[in-house]
Amino acid sequence: EVQLLESGGGLVQPGGSLRLSCAVSGFPFNIKAMSWVRQAPGKGLEWVSGINDNGGSTYYVDSVKGRFTISRDNSKNTLYLQMNSLRAEDTAVYYCAKIPAPYNDYIDYWGQGTLVTVSS
Amino acid sequence: DIQMTQSPSTLSASVGDRVTITCRASQSISYWLAWYQQKPGKAPKLLIYKASSLERGVPSRFSGSGSGTEFTLTISSLQPDDFATYYCQHYYSYPLTFGGGTEVEIK
Repeated sequence: EVQLLESGGGLVQPGGSLRLSCAVSGFPFNIKAMSWVRQAPGKGLEWVSGINDNGGSTYYVDSVKGRFTISRDNSKNTLYLQMNSLRAEDTAVYYCAKIPAPYNDYIDYWGQGTLVTVSS
Repeated sequence: DIQMTQSPSTLSASVGDRVTITCRASQSISYWLAWYQQKPGKAPKLLIYKASSLERGVPSRFSGSGSGTEFTLTISSLQPDDFATYYCQHYYSYPLTFGGGTEVEIK
């Protein structure tokens, strides 16, 4: 059974940092691309960042470029999102998402999400 | 970046109705389009990929069609479990983008 378990969310002040983690199981993590998708309260889905199977290629939405860094540790079956210089508009539920291919493709499984709140 | 526009944003329908949701891309994305269903407080669930391929375990009343810039999601006979919000998403290239969503509500 595919499982994606996010952690690391919480309340942070504007300008602060958080690191999200996503521990996965039930599939060969090292040959699948992954993404992070977020959803602000009461709003739609927004893709945030993606990474290929070996971590050699990373991609970001313009609004987080230079502030967020996606990475993965294939030996630990874990995906990360380092978020720096956080802003109020980054407040959202952050979902870890599995891609059924080593590179860009659709999302076939989602985690349950972790809430990030940026507020003073 | 490729923009995805869904219509309508809200749809009122009754059980048994045939429902169609439209998604338009700002440029051709071939058939690299997925549809997801999301219920309140839950993660999205994949319904359709590659514009018309039904994900395993998804009821056959759901179908997708289209290519290029115009796509549709059809629910042939709306069931009580189908009242939810539906999103399209292209995966033609990065950055990936989602449509704004279509909320299907009970009439």
